Parts: sequence; C-alpha cells; structure tokens
Amino acid sequence: EDQVTQSPEALRLQEGESSSLNCSYTVSGLRGLFWYRQDPGKGPEFLFTLYSAGEEKEKERLKATLTKKESFLHITAPKPEDSATYLCAVQARGSSASKIIFGSGTRLSIRP
Amino acid sequence: DTGVSQNPRHKITKRGQNVTFRCDPISEHNRLYWYRQTLGQGPEFLTYFQNEAQLEKSRLLSDRFSAERPKGSFSTLEIQRTEQGDSAMYLCASSSGTVNSPLHFGNGTRLTVT
Repeated sequence: EDQVTQSPEALRLQEGESSSLNCSYTVSGLRGLFWYRQDPGKGPEFLFTLYSAGEEKEKERLKATLTKKESFLHITAPKPEDSATYLCAVQARGSSASKIIFGSGTRLSIRP
Repeated sequence: DTGVSQNPRHKITKRGQNVTFRCDPISEHNRLYWYRQTLGQGPEFLTYFQNEAQLEKSRLLSDRFSAERPKGSFSTLEIQRTEQGDSAMYLCASSSGTVNSPLHFGNGTRLTVT
C-alpha cells in the first residue's frame, strides 16, 4: 500500500537556523512528489513538484530534493513568517494515478 | 483565477442531522477532489471527479457520504445522519488534469458535530 511518512512531527528553530524536513515514501511507481505549506485554518498551498530522483527545486529560502525513497525540504536562514505545517504528498502510477496521498506533516515554528 | 471557493467556512450541527458543503473549483480545471483533515493529520483522500464523472471513492467514504458534480462545474458533498466522528475540516481541491498537475486547495469547511 502506498504510504508517506514525514519527520519530525514538529520542529522549533531559531530565526536564521537552517534545517531539513524529511518525507519518506513507499509507492508502486512514483508519478510525482509534491510539497505544500499549510497555515492554521487554511487549505494547503502548493510549493513544488518533483518527478525523478536527483531533481531539485528552489523557492526563496526553501529547496526540495528527491531520491528514490525520500524527499527533503531544506530551509535556509528561516524567518518567523516561514512558520507553518509543511505537507508532503505522492502520486502513484497505475490504476490509482488520480489519487494523491499526503503525509501527516511537519509543524515548523521559527522563533524571532 | 479566483481560486477554489468553499462554502460555508464553518458548520455546527447536531448529531443525526444532514449537512451539505459546496465547492467551486478554478474555472478551467476539470478535476475536482474532496479530502478530509483532522487535527494534526494530513488530508485524507475521499473522492475524485473528472468533469461530472465520479471516478474514484475512498473506502473511508461510508454510505452516509455522497458527492456530486453536476455539469462538471461546482461540487457538493453531503453527509447524512452526521456522527461526532465526522467532525473535521473538509477540503476541496481542483487541478487542470495535465500529467502531474498539482492540486489547488480551497480553505475548507470546518464541520463540528455536537
């Protein structure tokens, strides 16, 4: 069964302290891996799509990378406004290609 | 592009009552998804439409849940005989349907069943 596991569940950093969030996945053929940001009381906001191992995408202080088993979301010199829950999701090939499965997310808190 | 719109934003209902939520997707998107999210968890897939056809339903979707998308435009999600366990955020998302196109989410309807 397709599965997505994110770690850590929660992460507290000081402003400017760089770190990484992990997303491990098990899927029968990866079609795409997605990263989303979710603020309290709002729907997830799309950040990146990664398609194949070795691929990297960047946006401001965020960089997403992908291997055959996991993805990392690196955050460089974070600011308090980067505080949010970061969700990873995968889309598999095959009969359930339409379904996108989410992990439980990492709650990131940046202290000023 | 006005984004995905969901109504109402909040709904409080008594156990046993029926509720209906509405989702208006991004206008040119032909795929529409419903997800459910509880506190501290990621969104759980419920069902998916391509235009007006409901192509996949999760095993989570009991027979008390029904979704429609008449004419391939807006969608409704109805929950009959609500239970306290139905309390959650119900999220709607749409996508263009091209390969690997990302989901664009609305801000959800928060349901509280008392």
